[in-house]
Amino acid sequence: GIQVEQSPPDLILQEGANSTLRCNFSDSVNNLQWFHQNPWGQLINLFYIPSGTKQNGRLSATTVATERYSLLYISSSQTTDSGVYFCAGGSGGGADGLTFGKGTHLIIQP
Amino acid sequence: DVKVTQSSRYLVKRTGEKVFLECVQDMDHENMFWYRQDPGLGLRLIYFSYDVKMKEKGDIPEGYSVSREKKERFSLILESASTNQTSMYLCASSFPGRVYSNQPQHFGDGTRLSIL
Repeated sequence: GIQVEQSPPDLILQEGANSTLRCNFSDSVNNLQWFHQNPWGQLINLFYIPSGTKQNGRLSATTVATERYSLLYISSSQTTDSGVYFCAGGSGGGADGLTFGKGTHLIIQP
Repeated sequence: DVKVTQSSRYLVKRTGEKVFLECVQDMDHENMFWYRQDPGLGLRLIYFSYDVKMKEKGDIPEGYSVSREKKERFSLILESASTNQTSMYLCASSFPGRVYSNQPQHFGDGTRLSIL
């Protein structure tokens, strides 16, 4: 199956800073999602982005499918952005489970 | 909005018990999934189902079984719980994709299961 590598594994920033999280895939994917897991363990959908660029408020994501990577940008960080960010991909059609990266643990300090 | 509901947020069971984790979705999704999440290992796929009464093994199916008698409900069963099955369990659902494409998965809030 595909391998998913996320970087950096940990990131500590001050409130107001910008950050870029990266996700590399070992093979082509046709489903790519970014999630935020909050301190209560809930996995929140951020983006479904198998290719292209999307923006949602202070967050945006870009996937370059031909080069097998995706980037998540967080601008003007707030303390509520803290948590673990996961990317996950699937390469099958119809029904296929996601393969998750190990996550980036983000801490935003006031 | 998609709603995936897991029956318990926290659950404590004893070794050897038969344990049922229930998941219900309200979006008429064909696909449903069970994952477990462990520190350092991330989320891993246990089983999934693409239709009623259909099931497929994921990456770590050993020690688990599943049941999908109705489209909206997908149950994960620990036949004889063991301490190494203490974990966070997450259910997800999605519409079916086409060949060479998938649809986004939507997750429940998770069940923290402790086996004593």
